[in-house]
Amino acid sequence: GQQVMQIPQYQHVQEGEDFTTYCNSSTTLSNIQWYKQRPGGHPVFLIQLVKSGEVKKQKRLTFQFGEAKKNSSLHITATQTTDVGTYFCAGENTGGFKTIFGAGTRLFVKA
Amino acid sequence: GAVVSQHPSWVICKSGTSVKIECRSLDFQATTMFWYRQFPKQSLMLMATSNEGSKATYEQGVEKDKFLINHASLTLSTLTVTSAHPEDSSFYICSGTGLGSYEQYFGPGTRLTVT
Repeated sequence: GQQVMQIPQYQHVQEGEDFTTYCNSSTTLSNIQWYKQRPGGHPVFLIQLVKSGEVKKQKRLTFQFGEAKKNSSLHITATQTTDVGTYFCAGENTGGFKTIFGAGTRLFVKA
Repeated sequence: GAVVSQHPSWVICKSGTSVKIECRSLDFQATTMFWYRQFPKQSLMLMATSNEGSKATYEQGVEKDKFLINHASLTLSTLTVTSAHPEDSSFYICSGTGLGSYEQYFGPGTRLTVT
């Protein structure tokens, strides 16, 4: 069945360093969403990418959707301690019937 | 990683009937479980948070009498959609987290269609 793989599982960075998490689907996606979960909280929606090759930015966060609509990445420039948390990608299949979550990447930022 | 299962994976029911969705943590004790619903091409929407042995906490706008959540054990939470209507048709997904853990594990989801 459809799988969404997310790497890395964990990432430790020094404050000010960049961070990237990658998401790969075994099948073509209709869209991909990214969520952030703060420690102790629940996932909060960040963004949705729909178009092939789409790139969207939110301040220091850059989201990309691959040309084949099977992979995506989230890049954080100059991390801050407030970026700490787990970042999940979630891919919706082309039939629109199912969303599969990646396992998440947990980001640790050391001040 | 830990595994969360959901049953059924999809269900079709008639308007006015009730449907129960099960969410099970297979290899860890889920002290907290979250229930979400999602419409196609839209984001996940948190419906409620349930802690084992306690009443669920519902998000604003979610009818607790319509979406009954039970979290009677550390490995099982259920969501019952009572008197379902076509507008309840959606993708329902649960997730669980263990005591003192920040890791959250998602179930595969349940597609509900109400005719």
